[in-house]
Amino acid sequence: EAGVVQSPRYKIIEKKQPVAFWCNPISGHNTLYWYRQNLGQGPELLIRYENEEAVDDSQLPKDRFSAERLKGVDSTLKIQPAELGDSAVYLCASSYPKHYEQYFGPGTRLTVT
Amino acid sequence: GESVGLHLPTLSVQEGDNSIINCAYSNSASDYFIWYKQESGKGPQFIIDIRSNMDKRQGQRVTVLLNKTVKHLSLQIAATQPGDSAVYFCAENGAAGNKLTFGGGTRVLVKP
Repeated sequence: EAGVVQSPRYKIIEKKQPVAFWCNPISGHNTLYWYRQNLGQGPELLIRYENEEAVDDSQLPKDRFSAERLKGVDSTLKIQPAELGDSAVYLCASSYPKHYEQYFGPGTRLTVT
Repeated sequence: GESVGLHLPTLSVQEGDNSIINCAYSNSASDYFIWYKQESGKGPQFIIDIRSNMDKRQGQRVTVLLNKTVKHLSLQIAATQPGDSAVYFCAENGAAGNKLTFGGGTRVLVKP
């Protein structure tokens, strides 16, 4: 079974530039999560999708962050414009509906200079 | 508020010895707990989980203990191996849906 796929793995951009991350969850996993992980810390939830619906985006900084999951499968997380403080690893995870166990992708390491 | 934290940020252990990683949580309504292992450059990997109606669960070389009285969770790794070197996170799922709250992580270093 293929795991959660994320791309790119690494991204370096200058501040004020836009950036996008892509995630393809495990087949059959209707629930998709985006997390941000700062160095030395645990992941923090940004947004959770049930199919194509964002059911929890309370932690998403909506002034510069946006996400979509148009067909209820893969998802894109965007930052525009990026700030220095956005440097982090952005993790995508997926799970079966109403299952607590989440499977994580390898993450995208973002560096904003 | 809800929080999950760890007592020890770094644990050095001799290869072959047992490791114990501790975690405290504050949300007494949490009904599910999970341990993840994260190696450098990779995403968190599921190790073992436990529901609040249990106090112990065993897997292959790992055991999770839950003490609801003092809101404490621990992960025991038997016969620690070099491949166990990683950062370990505990996480809890409060009563509000599939939302995991992660602690800050403990780094385990296995010495040969």
